[in-house]
Amino acid sequence: GAVVSQHPSWVICKSGTSVKIECRSLDFQATTMFWYRQFPKQSLMLMATSNEGSKATYEQGVEKDKFLINHASLTLSTLTVTSAHPEDSSFYICSASPAGTSHNEQFFGPGTRLTVL
Amino acid sequence: GENVEQHPSTLSVQEGDSAVIKCTYSDSASNYFPWYKQELGKRPQLIIDIRSNVGEKKDQRIAVTLNKTAKHFSLHITETQPEDSAVYFCAASSRNQGGKLIFGQGTELSVKP
Repeated sequence: GAVVSQHPSWVICKSGTSVKIECRSLDFQATTMFWYRQFPKQSLMLMATSNEGSKATYEQGVEKDKFLINHASLTLSTLTVTSAHPEDSSFYICSASPAGTSHNEQFFGPGTRLTVL
Repeated sequence: GENVEQHPSTLSVQEGDSAVIKCTYSDSASNYFPWYKQELGKRPQLIIDIRSNVGEKKDQRIAVTLNKTAKHFSLHITETQPEDSAVYFCAASSRNQGGKLIFGQGTELSVKP
């Protein structure tokens, strides 16, 4: 149980284009999903907290107009990188926290490797 | 907000020896402290976690200790094996902050056969 998937697993795009990444909880409902970014040899940096049916909460320094997050259902959150540039190339990982639990455990997706040319 | 510091950044041990990784956190409201193992290009895997109402937890060769007063927690791996080689991350989370995880900088563990 507690499986989270991401699609695509990798994507290469041209500078200036937009890329959408999907995060799905396959066997549980998630009222809250989180989006992280990880550069090579660095830690996971939280970008935003996504709550079903409401606007995402972005961490300081993360541009909300560049990284659009939508959490339209209890099993799906999407991250759209708009007008991507080479500096946006990174490993993007989502996680989901099961609804109705009293603890903070998160289940991670397999990540999406984004390369912007 | 929460800040998590992790040390050391790299750790090399001989197979069979123990490895210890330490983390400190700043937010006294944090109540959940997981440890993750991450292999190159893969998702973080939860290896053990501890909650603020417990001082120590053990699972076979892995143990975690928590000192709430000092705001630090440690990962202990005994009888290390080459397959333990990976990057390990500590993290801290608070219900007051919506359960978001703040990660430490990571420790690259190398176990030499």
